[in-house]
Amino acid sequence: DQQVKQNSPSLSVQEGRISILNCDYTNSMFDYFLWYKKYPAEGPTFLISISSIKDKNEDGRFTVFLNKSAKHLSLHIVPSQPGDSAVYFCAAGTGANSKLTFGKGITLSVRP
Amino acid sequence: ETGVTQTPRHLVMGMTNKKSLKCEQHLGHNAMYWYKQSAKKPLELMFVYSLEERVENNSVPSRFSPECPNSSHLFLHLHTLQPEDSALYLCASSQEFGGAGRGNQPQHFGDGTRLSIL
Repeated sequence: DQQVKQNSPSLSVQEGRISILNCDYTNSMFDYFLWYKKYPAEGPTFLISISSIKDKNEDGRFTVFLNKSAKHLSLHIVPSQPGDSAVYFCAAGTGANSKLTFGKGITLSVRP
Repeated sequence: ETGVTQTPRHLVMGMTNKKSLKCEQHLGHNAMYWYKQSAKKPLELMFVYSLEERVENNSVPSRFSPECPNSSHLFLHLHTLQPEDSALYLCASSQEFGGAGRGNQPQHFGDGTRLSIL
C-alpha cells in the first residue's frame, strides 16, 4: 500500500504560468516532507522541504504548502520555465530518522 | 555535481555473472543508502548504512549484497540476478541517519547505475 501518492502522472503548463504539483499521504506519523526534481540520466536533486510545524515554505519561485488535516501537500512553481521540465518526486519522513518514503513522481512539461 | 558519484553508469550482465556497483560521497556524510527504481514505481529503499553499520535491510533478496568499508564508500555486490532486477540503482547520502530530532535531513543522490539483466 502506497503511503505517498502522486496521482497525476503528468502535467503540462505554459511558460510563465503557475505549475501546481500535488501529493497525498496516508501515514499520520510523517512530519517532514520534501520535493525532489529529476532530469533524465541524472539522480534526484533536493528542491525544497517543509516540516509539519509549518504550513508553507518558500524558496524563490518554489513554494510548498502543507495541509495536515487533509494529509496533502503541493508544490507551486511561479513563474514556470522550460528548464523546470522534469520529473518531480514527493517524499515524506518522520523525525525518528532520515528514512524517506517516495511517491511515483509526476512529469512536468513547461511549453515555451 | 551532487557530491555523490556512482560507477558504472550503465551495466549489462547475464544472470550468472557477478558484478559490483560502487558509490562514493564527498560530502562528509555519515549515512548512505541504496535505492532501486523500476519503471512506473516509486523509489524503493534497499539498504541503509550509518557509520558503516547496516541499520536497514528492506527484505532484499540475498543476491544483492551491500558493503560499506568506510563512511565515504558503499558497494552493492550482485550475483545470479533475475531479469526483474533490471532497474536504475541509486545511491544517496545524508548527514546523519537517526536519533531524535535529527531525522529532518535531505538525502543527496548520485546519478544512478542503469542495470540490465539479460
